[in-house]
Amino acid sequence: QLQLQESGPGLVNPAETLSLTCTVSGGSISSSSYFWGWVRQPPGKGLEWIGNIVYTGYTYYATSLKSRVTISMDTSKRQLSLKLTSVTAADTAIYFCARHVREEARPCWFDPWGQGTLVTVSS
Amino acid sequence: DIVMTQSPDSLTVSLGERATINCKSSQSILYSSNNKNYLAWYQQKPGQPPKLLIYWASTRESGVPDRFSGSGSGTDFTLAISSLQAEDVAVYYCQQYFTDSFTFGQGTKLEIK
Repeated sequence: QLQLQESGPGLVNPAETLSLTCTVSGGSISSSSYFWGWVRQPPGKGLEWIGNIVYTGYTYYATSLKSRVTISMDTSKRQLSLKLTSVTAADTAIYFCARHVREEARPCWFDPWGQGTLVTVSS
Repeated sequence: DIVMTQSPDSLTVSLGERATINCKSSQSILYSSNNKNYLAWYQQKPGQPPKLLIYWASTRESGVPDRFSGSGSGTDFTLAISSLQAEDVAVYYCQQYFTDSFTFGQGTKLEIK
């Protein structure tokens, strides 16, 4: 059974870089059948897609975050990473990694999801 | 970006009764070449990540109880729960994947009356 687990600092100072890792177990991340994505959720609010990556290294990002986001992957470690620069309090959220199922030659729905990790931006 | 708008924001339904949640997209998410609607529904219980319920607007994910059903086409979609159970208390989200800028509805909170 595929499992995803996010990890990283729970507190980040304003203007610094948020760095998270997602470790995938129970399956390969080197498959053309899937993308891998990050989604965030401010406390008590809705879901916001951040960006995706596929095993070839191809990435694409939400327009609103594109200038600050980098997603990468290490297939040998079965890990994804997320970096978000110049963070502010508005970036405080639960950050989820998720497998992005590919159908009809494009990424579609997210399944499964990691449990998520809360990152607070505060000094 | 395609804007997804859900209604209502919250819903209170009695056990055993039917619950319906609506999702409207700002443009059609029906792809004419395959006649598929690029819409998914998720259930999120407190303290948990979202769980996929339905994709292609009406295809139930494996293991999802058949009391959950999705319908609609074009810009208007509905998630229905035919007979509400206590474990269905959650926030429900729709998500479009018609474009490469994936967007979610704001969520509908479902509670028991």
